[in-house]
Amino acid sequence: DAGVIQSPRHEVTEMGQEVTLRCKPISGHNSLFWYRQTMMRGLELLIYFNNNVPIDDSGMPEDRFSAKMPNASFSTLKIQPSEPRDSAVYFCASSFGEYSYEQYFGPGTRLTVT
Amino acid sequence: QQQVKQSPQSLIVQKGGISIINCAYENTAFDYFPWYQQFPGKGPALLIAIRPDVSEKKEGRFTISFNKSAKQFSLHIMDSQPGDSATYFCAASRGTYKYIFGTGTRLKVLA
Repeated sequence: DAGVIQSPRHEVTEMGQEVTLRCKPISGHNSLFWYRQTMMRGLELLIYFNNNVPIDDSGMPEDRFSAKMPNASFSTLKIQPSEPRDSAVYFCASSFGEYSYEQYFGPGTRLTVT
Repeated sequence: QQQVKQSPQSLIVQKGGISIINCAYENTAFDYFPWYQQFPGKGPALLIAIRPDVSEKKEGRFTISFNKSAKQFSLHIMDSQPGDSATYFCAASRGTYKYIFGTGTRLKVLA
């Protein structure tokens, strides 16, 4: 079975540019999470979708960040405009069920903003 | 009260030894405590998890010990192997999706 798929795996961009990260959850999972991992702040939940609906976006740092889930098999996280402090590894995770105790993580996208 | 404190930050163990990583929490409403294993360049992978109604859970060489009164839980890796070298994260959640992760422990097992 394919796990959570993320693309691109690495992204290098200049400050001010738009960045779009993509995620395909595990088939049949109906909850999707976006996380950010940095050395300073560890793993932080950015946003949580259930059945394609955003349930909790309280972790989204600011208006420059937006996330969509147009269908059950695809989600995007967009940063516009990007800033150097956005440099991090972004993970997508999925799980089955509304109270999703077991979350399965993708391989992550390493974002570098210069 | 939402924090999960993890220690040590790094750990070096000889092959065949026991690796022990500890976590402490404040919020007594937490009801699910997973451990994740992360290799370099990979996403975290669920290793083992426990609920507060049991004091210990064992899966192969990995054991979680849970002390509800002390609000602490720990991961024990028996017969540690070089392939266990990774970063380990504890987490806690309160009946919902929202994991609070510890800061991670970088384990190195020497051959």
